[in-house]
Amino acid sequence: EAQVTQNPRYLITVTGKKLTVTCSQNMNHEYMSWYRQDPGLGLRQIYYSMNVEVTDKGDVPEGYKVSRKEKRNFPLILESPSPNQTSLYFCASSLGYTGTPYGYTFGSGTRLTVV
Amino acid sequence: DQQVKQNSPSLSVQEGRISILNCDYTNSMFDYFLWYKKYPAEGPTFLISISSIKDKNEDGRFTVFLNKSAKHLSLHIVPSQPGDSAVYFCAASEDNQGGKLIFGQGTELSVKP
Repeated sequence: EAQVTQNPRYLITVTGKKLTVTCSQNMNHEYMSWYRQDPGLGLRQIYYSMNVEVTDKGDVPEGYKVSRKEKRNFPLILESPSPNQTSLYFCASSLGYTGTPYGYTFGSGTRLTVV
Repeated sequence: DQQVKQNSPSLSVQEGRISILNCDYTNSMFDYFLWYKKYPAEGPTFLISISSIKDKNEDGRFTVFLNKSAKHLSLHIVPSQPGDSAVYFCAASEDNQGGKLIFGQGTELSVKP
């Protein structure tokens, strides 16, 4: 089944303790991205990647790191999490824009709570 | 600065009637516009898209209209069904910014039987 898989689904952590949220896609998509969803703010893009070793900042990159060493994987790293990073996170992948946008395929989300 | 805005947080419609969800944008460089649907505890799913060279795109019960001069797009659902109850997000991108997709705040649609 074609899908984007992110883990874990739920995570509670303490301020300052480094964590990684994993994301993997099995559709051979070129593009991958991370978003966070917060009430009243919608979905805000954190980082995106156009291909292996090619990444760029979205609208809210502060406090996050990403890497794209393999095409299928795009982990999100919080080196020193803070309570304002408590949010619902989504990983997504896409074939990219070839004339008309195919659209991102999203994972099921990771609910992160930082205390 | 919110480049894509959905000013109605919620909308309630009777089953069988038309649902109209609205979206405004400020960036005149946006070339493509998309609508996503999101159920609780799931990721958003792609619904329909439109290129800036068109003013209308249909897919079954869903039609998206684009008014470039007003920087406004809308999603029409006819007829509305209870299963359409979800949060709807509009999104926009500049073609030469492949991968960078900007979303609005979302509108929660409730279709009542």
